[in-house]
Amino acid sequence: GAVVSQHPSWVICKSGTSVKIECRSLDFQATTMFWYRQFPKQSLMLMATSNEGSKATYEQGVEKDKFLINHASLTLSTLTVTSAHPEDSSFYICSALAGGFYEQYFGPGTRLTVT
Amino acid sequence: GENVEQHPSTLSVQEGDSAVIKCTYSDSASNYFPWYKQELGKRPQLIIDIRSNVGEKKDQRIAVTLNKTAKHFSLHITETQPEDSAVYFCAASSGQAGTALIFGKGTTLSVSS
Repeated sequence: GAVVSQHPSWVICKSGTSVKIECRSLDFQATTMFWYRQFPKQSLMLMATSNEGSKATYEQGVEKDKFLINHASLTLSTLTVTSAHPEDSSFYICSALAGGFYEQYFGPGTRLTVT
Repeated sequence: GENVEQHPSTLSVQEGDSAVIKCTYSDSASNYFPWYKQELGKRPQLIIDIRSNVGEKKDQRIAVTLNKTAKHFSLHITETQPEDSAVYFCAASSGQAGTALIFGKGTTLSVSS
């Protein structure tokens, strides 16, 4: 149990275009989902917290107009990178949390390369 | 907000030796401390976690200790094996369940045979 999927697993896009990444909890309802970004040889940096049906809470320094997060259902959250630039190239990982519990379940990550 | 410091950044041991990784946190309200193992290009994998009402937890070759007064927690791996080689991250979560994890910068563990 407690499986989280992400799609796509990798994507290459051109500078200026937008990319949508999906995060799904497959066998539980995720009241909260988190989005992290990880640059090579670095740690996971929290980008935003999203609760189903409400606006995401972004960490300081993360542009909310550039990284659009939607958590429309208890099993799906999406991250859209708008007007992507090469510096947005990174490994994006989501995690999901079932209500009342501490353990987070991570998706497999999405490798974004912007050319 | 919470800040998590992790040391060392790299650790090399011989197979069979023990490895210890230490983390400190800043927010006294933090009450959940997981440790993750991450292999290159893959998701973090939870290996052990501890809540603030417990001082120590052990699972086979892996143990975690927590000192709430000093605000630090440590990961202990005994009888290391080459397959333990990976990047290890500590994390802390402050407040209620549902709060985001703040990660340390990671430790690259290399176990040579």
